[in-house]
Amino acid sequence: DTAVSQTPKYLVTQMGNDKSIKCEQNLGHDTMYWYKQDSKKFLKIMFSYNNKELIINETVPNRFSPKSPDKAHLNLHINSLELGDSAVYFCASSQERGLNNEQFFGPGTRLTVL
Amino acid sequence: GQSLEQPSEVTAVEGAIVQINCTYQTSGFYGLSWYQQHDGGAPTFLSYNALDGLEETGRFSSFLSRSDSYGYLLLQELQMKDSASYFCAVINQGGKLIFGQGTELSVKP
Repeated sequence: DTAVSQTPKYLVTQMGNDKSIKCEQNLGHDTMYWYKQDSKKFLKIMFSYNNKELIINETVPNRFSPKSPDKAHLNLHINSLELGDSAVYFCASSQERGLNNEQFFGPGTRLTVL
Repeated sequence: GQSLEQPSEVTAVEGAIVQINCTYQTSGFYGLSWYQQHDGGAPTFLSYNALDGLEETGRFSSFLSRSDSYGYLLLQELQMKDSASYFCAVINQGGKLIFGQGTELSVKP
């Protein structure tokens, strides 16, 4: 019954490694997002996909690469991890032209880079 | 540029009413949303205002004045479980959700 799910929930890794976070939504939504929440709780959008097409790409290092194999999935791959990448990453989804623009967030992935 | 201002923290007692204000500067404003986030949890949607006025949903209400670039979230009959961070967020015409820094609400007995 989970609407937006992410794996893994926790990720601890060394600097320089490459890691991926997976996201799936079963709401039938057209649009999916990745957000980064830093230690001060500031939530910032990173990417948005609509029907597998990239529509928002904020100023994010190109070490971050989103991939959407279909409209229900949006994965985030991070190369050459740095200390500053430590944060909670949230996936979200919404219905295009939804009534109230509500976004549904996944439980988050807490990434710690050592 | 785009920016949102909201108080960093608010404290209130159970049963009280609290108002969390949000002022914004953005291009292509489409609407103002509010999200709640408990510690360790995900943001969850509370309300959305596209037009001026007050929207009420149970104990929570949200207000928007487009001419003043201002909105607020009103929480009534506060309960301990309302202790959380509350984020205002602007949606622009590109569909991008831009969050404020969040207001940490502490409800005391």
